[in-house]
Amino acid sequence: DAGVIQSPRHEVTEMGQEVTLRCKPISGHNSLFWYRQTMMRGLELLIYFNNNVPIDDSGMPEDRFSAKMPNASFSTLKIQPSEPRDSAVYFCASSPLGQAGNQPQHFGDGTRLSIL
Amino acid sequence: AQSVAQPEDQVNVAEGNPLTVKCTYSVSGNPYLFWYVQYPNRGLQFLLKYITGDNLVKGSYGFEAEFNKSQTSFHLKKPSALVSDSALYFCAVRRGGYSTLTFGKGTMLLVSP
Repeated sequence: DAGVIQSPRHEVTEMGQEVTLRCKPISGHNSLFWYRQTMMRGLELLIYFNNNVPIDDSGMPEDRFSAKMPNASFSTLKIQPSEPRDSAVYFCASSPLGQAGNQPQHFGDGTRLSIL
Repeated sequence: AQSVAQPEDQVNVAEGNPLTVKCTYSVSGNPYLFWYVQYPNRGLQFLLKYITGDNLVKGSYGFEAEFNKSQTSFHLKKPSALVSDSALYFCAVRRGGYSTLTFGKGTMLLVSP
């Protein structure tokens, strides 16, 4: 079975530009998570969805960040306008909405974002 | 609130020797504990989990972890390390019932030939 698929794998763009990251979760998984990984701050949860509905977006750093999940097989994370401090690796993960949350999350290989 | 501490930034071990990567946690209620591994330029891969039952859980690639409630620890172990085990290891916790997963900062494991 295909795992979580993220695109693009690498993105380099100039400050001020709009950036859109894409994620296709594993088929049948009801929960989807967006994380950001940096050397300084480690792995941070930005937002997560259950059954396409955003549940907790308290980790989204600013209004410049937005995420959508229009259907069960697709999600986007958008940054507009982008800033150099947004440079990081962004991961998408999915999991079944298992009983009492005991299911592991499955991660994509990430998008390495560089804002110049 | 829930938190995870991985006290070692890096662990060095020779191939063939046993390895331990340490993790302690803080959570209200029953903990659900996870270990993940990350290879360069890859996402995190699930290794094993503790939900309930036996304190010693076995996972992928010969890894195991021991849950110790009194010490609030969940150390990752392997009897004989391989060079290919060199990677970044993350411990994570969530409290029983659905909640978000909190990750530790990660421990880099380096296995020398």
